[in-house]
Amino acid sequence: DAKTTQPPSMDCAEGRAANLPCNHSTISGNEYVYWYRQIHSQGPQYIIHGLKNNETNEMASLIITEDRKSSTLILPHATLRDTAVYYCIVRKYNNNDMRFGAGTRLTVKP
Amino acid sequence: GAGVSQTPSNKVTEKGKYVELRCDPISGHTALYWYRQSLGQGPEFLIYFQGTGAADDSGLPNDRFFAVRPEGSVSTLKIQRTERGDSAVYLCASSFGRGSTDTQYFGPGTRLTVL
Repeated sequence: DAKTTQPPSMDCAEGRAANLPCNHSTISGNEYVYWYRQIHSQGPQYIIHGLKNNETNEMASLIITEDRKSSTLILPHATLRDTAVYYCIVRKYNNNDMRFGAGTRLTVKP
Repeated sequence: GAGVSQTPSNKVTEKGKYVELRCDPISGHTALYWYRQSLGQGPEFLIYFQGTGAADDSGLPNDRFFAVRPEGSVSTLKIQRTERGDSAVYLCASSFGRGSTDTQYFGPGTRLTVL
């Protein structure tokens, strides 16, 4: 699976949009981009995934660049409860395991 | 509906002992995964079950680790002759097991401490 690069930490003000970047420059055509988050002492929580089109659900939006070499997870109105480690994962079409990196620790501040 | 559950939530054992960790997947999910997470790191894949069989056990670190899923639902991760380096949070996930975009849902994990 393609390797991903994320900043180790980010801060965001409560109520503002949180934009979390992820680089996956070696992604191949059959690999999806997944985002999970992990709140302290809990298991990872699925957020969203996409292949090449932008995606939106009740939690977040996923913007994938046209060349698919990077993506951005957007939390439109961050709350204190969004403080967590966010993982960007590139997953091959027929792979069953998720290859987690170190993720980005997002801290939402009042 | 109920999510993935894991028991116990915490397990403290002594070096050399045998431990069993249990995972109850989401009802209807045929695929089940075990991961291990060390402090400050992301989860690391251990093993994947499709139904009763281990479809991929390439992540198991050595032969002290073994997992079963005899009836295709509940799974048990077994660790023999535990070592201090086995201390970690052991996470279980389940999914419907269909298609390339099959989403995995994680349990809260079991924190294993080997003294």
